[in-house]
Amino acid sequence: EIVLTQSPGTLSLSPGERATLSCRASQSVSSSYLAWYQQKPGQAPRLLIYGASSRATGIPDRFSGSGSGTDFTLTISRLEPEDFAVYYCQKWSTFGQGTRLEIK
Amino acid sequence: EVQLVESGGGLVQRGGSLRLSCAASGFSFSSYSMNWVRQAPGKGLEWVSYISSSNSTIYYADSVKGRFTISRDNAKNSLYLQMNSLRDEDTAVYYCARALAMIQDYWGQGTLVTVSS
Repeated sequence: EIVLTQSPGTLSLSPGERATLSCRASQSVSSSYLAWYQQKPGQAPRLLIYGASSRATGIPDRFSGSGSGTDFTLTISRLEPEDFAVYYCQKWSTFGQGTRLEIK
Repeated sequence: EVQLVESGGGLVQRGGSLRLSCAASGFSFSSYSMNWVRQAPGKGLEWVSYISSSNSTIYYADSVKGRFTISRDNAKNSLYLQMNSLRDEDTAVYYCARALAMIQDYWGQGTLVTVSS
């Protein structure tokens, strides 16, 4: 069974800065099924990225995904106040443990 | 607008049963696979179960296999999760989510299930 490990566990940044979140798989995965979600407190997760690099409907272009094989990255180019949340990567039935993006 | 509304959560005793429902609207329900995903308090996301659009393919997480049953009624635009032999570790918010392969593109607001001794 594939394990997805996200790093860092918590990322402290300021609005306007660039955020880079990592998702590492225990074995090579098809990028077709790699997704990223954002979850804010008290809300359901929201799909951000699918197929490793395609933005979901309505997602701002400051969010981008990249990677292949075992290493995948979610990048937020310029943080907005509403971007501070928890981010999860997913492949098939496995979710990563999440990265909490907090305001510095 | 895609809408998914879960119901049926609540407080249940350990070993008891509960049936969750998810009412779908705003899209052609019968054309999409669906998932249940749960989140224990303060924890991450855990996939629970998957059902294909025509009921022909069903998957379960090992943690619920043999205890939970996913089903759907395409005529009623509804998804269900029958949960039996509930354990403390089943306490969570349960989300239904529309699936594209195993990617969840739309999620409901969730329903809380609390298992108590």
